[in-house]
Amino acid sequence: QQQVKQSPQSLIVQKGGISIINCAYENTAFDYFPWYQQFPGKGPALLIAIRPDVSEKKEGRFTISFNKSAKQFSLHIMDSQPGDSATYFCAAAWATPLVFGKGTRLSVIA
Amino acid sequence: NAGVTQTPKFQVLKTGQSMTLQCAQDMNHNSMYWYRQDPGMGLRLIYYSASEGTTDKGEVPNGYNVSRLNKREFSLRLESAAPSQTSVYFCASRISGQGAYEQYFGPGTRLTVT
Repeated sequence: QQQVKQSPQSLIVQKGGISIINCAYENTAFDYFPWYQQFPGKGPALLIAIRPDVSEKKEGRFTISFNKSAKQFSLHIMDSQPGDSATYFCAAAWATPLVFGKGTRLSVIA
Repeated sequence: NAGVTQTPKFQVLKTGQSMTLQCAQDMNHNSMYWYRQDPGMGLRLIYYSASEGTTDKGEVPNGYNVSRLNKREFSLRLESAAPSQTSVYFCASRISGQGAYEQYFGPGTRLTVT
């Protein structure tokens, strides 16, 4: 019930392409869905987050799409750059500690 | 503002040794968390403290103890380290309250148990 499933495990994208990472959840009580970005040797840092009352949120090249009926949300990185190469984690919460997906290692190649 | 700080950055222990990982935050956050990160496993919650004076188990609490020393500090103790506890440990904090879910993470402690 608390699980958040993330896919793919790893992703290779050409520079300038679109990176898409997907997450699915079971607990309909979740009301906060963040994405974290982690560079090697660093702690995770909040990238962007969405609440279930909206279907999309965009910040620069990063967009979250949220489908409440399907219990799915995804991260889209437009015009992917080598500097975006990192591990990305989706998560979910509702007045509880964040529950994290297992992560996606993104490599953007020139 | 240093945010969330953790000490030490690296540690090597022998099986059976004990140690305490320290975490402090200067953001006046009520809630603090300890996670471990292992390859392919994501971030798994060990223990958390929703407020000063309270602690609760997370997903993987076995082999660990915690102390919420005051509002700023939350320590994680390994009483008898095992090779299975080789991992990267992250401390995080957030302000409590309805809808206030953003967690801030420290830089991590990389622990190796031989």
